Amino acid sequence: ETGVTQSPTHLIKTRGQQVTLRCSSQSGHNTVSWYQQALGQGPQFIFQYYREEENGRGNFPPRFSGLQFPNYSSELNVNALELDDSALYLCASRGQSNSPLHFGNGTRLTVT
Amino acid sequence: TQLLEQSPQFLSIQEGENLTVYCNSSSVFSSLQWYRQEPGEGPVLLVTVVTGGEVKKLKRLTFQFGDARKDSSLHITAAQPGDTGLYLCAAKGNNTDKLIFGTGTRLQVFP
Repeated sequence: ETGVTQSPTHLIKTRGQQVTLRCSSQSGHNTVSWYQQALGQGPQFIFQYYREEENGRGNFPPRFSGLQFPNYSSELNVNALELDDSALYLCASRGQSNSPLHFGNGTRLTVT
Repeated sequence: TQLLEQSPQFLSIQEGENLTVYCNSSSVFSSLQWYRQEPGEGPVLLVTVVTGGEVKKLKRLTFQFGDARKDSSLHITAAQPGDTGLYLCAAKGNNTDKLIFGTGTRLQVFP
């Protein structure tokens, strides 16, 4: 059983640029969530996708957007990058409601 | 706003010592989870507690959910260097699927 995989593992971008992060969910999982984890803090919920539709969003501006594909993989897009966007971005997937989340190892984004 | 506050923020101990990590909130939660996160990796679920007053044991780790379901604790007996990591409590928000994570406790166990 393949777990949640994220790419790339590390990324350096310049303020104002755009970035796309990718996530392959665990086999059989149709729900994908994205979290932002700033250094020294707990993860914060960005949004969740279920069957290609966004069905929950945290307190993040519209320049954070996402997609889920028919194979349940997902992308997180961030436009107009700011220095404070530097963080570890975690993707998590699950199957049925109330089943546990399985996290990937994250993408470390640095904005300079 | 639902917040989960963890204490202590940092803990540095010798192998063999015992420790307790706390997770507190003013909100009531239907369930609460504990995760451990190692450097360069995502959080890994350790346990889910559901019933007020519930105690669950996972080898040397003991988890307790407060009677009022507002707080939880994690106790580690005879800590080992392999226990080193970031411990996070988390709970689902009201009427939502999102997880609210605590502020985290970074544990370092020295041999």
